[in-house]
Amino acid sequence: QKEVEQDPGPLSVPEGAIVSLNCTYSNSAFQYFMWYRQYSRKGPELLMYTYSSGNKEDGRFTAQVDKSSKYISLFIRDSQPSDSATYLCAMGSYGNNRLAFGKGNQVVVIP
Amino acid sequence: DSGVTQTPKHLITATGQRVTLRCSPRSGDLSVYWYQQSLDQGLQFLIQYYNGEERAKGNILERFSAQQFPDLHSELNLSSLELGDSALYFCASSVEKVGADEQYFGPGTRLTVT
Repeated sequence: QKEVEQDPGPLSVPEGAIVSLNCTYSNSAFQYFMWYRQYSRKGPELLMYTYSSGNKEDGRFTAQVDKSSKYISLFIRDSQPSDSATYLCAMGSYGNNRLAFGKGNQVVVIP
Repeated sequence: DSGVTQTPKHLITATGQRVTLRCSPRSGDLSVYWYQQSLDQGLQFLIQYYNGEERAKGNILERFSAQQFPDLHSELNLSSLELGDSALYFCASSVEKVGADEQYFGPGTRLTVT
């Protein structure tokens, strides 16, 4: 079983819709969780990070963590064509700074 | 722009050759990480350096090596290249504060081995 599972299937949504992405993980040592956005042929860009279970909002983005279920989510409200990218979840534990990444979800927002 | 720079952007070379990828971290960041991204494996951690010393190793092949210099730039050396080494190679840097380590990625080097 991989440490981090993220269904890589492409996701197409109409502009203005809510995008919902999620990852599951098996390593209970993970203590912080991040979402990166990667545009085609670019490096991953840190979108959000959180340490604890619960929700964290930043503008149109909400990150949700459920440590008891080992499940994290990213929601994008009022999606825009500029949100079209691959979204990668990543997680790490204190004292071990390597990040474990999901394979990424390709999102296409259709105008 | 993350502030992390990587050169070259693209590299095309033949099997058996050796290449060097270069990374300059963000100003003030002491940690440098190298990752390999391929379609089938996703982003895989290779190695981390902190202030010139190796800190952690991941799925790095013996044919690959890295170092971090006193000015904190880092180089990843890939030797005896094989077709399967074709991938995107990313460098990331962080200040490595206590707690969550926010890593900022460079634009990557696309390596094609023919």
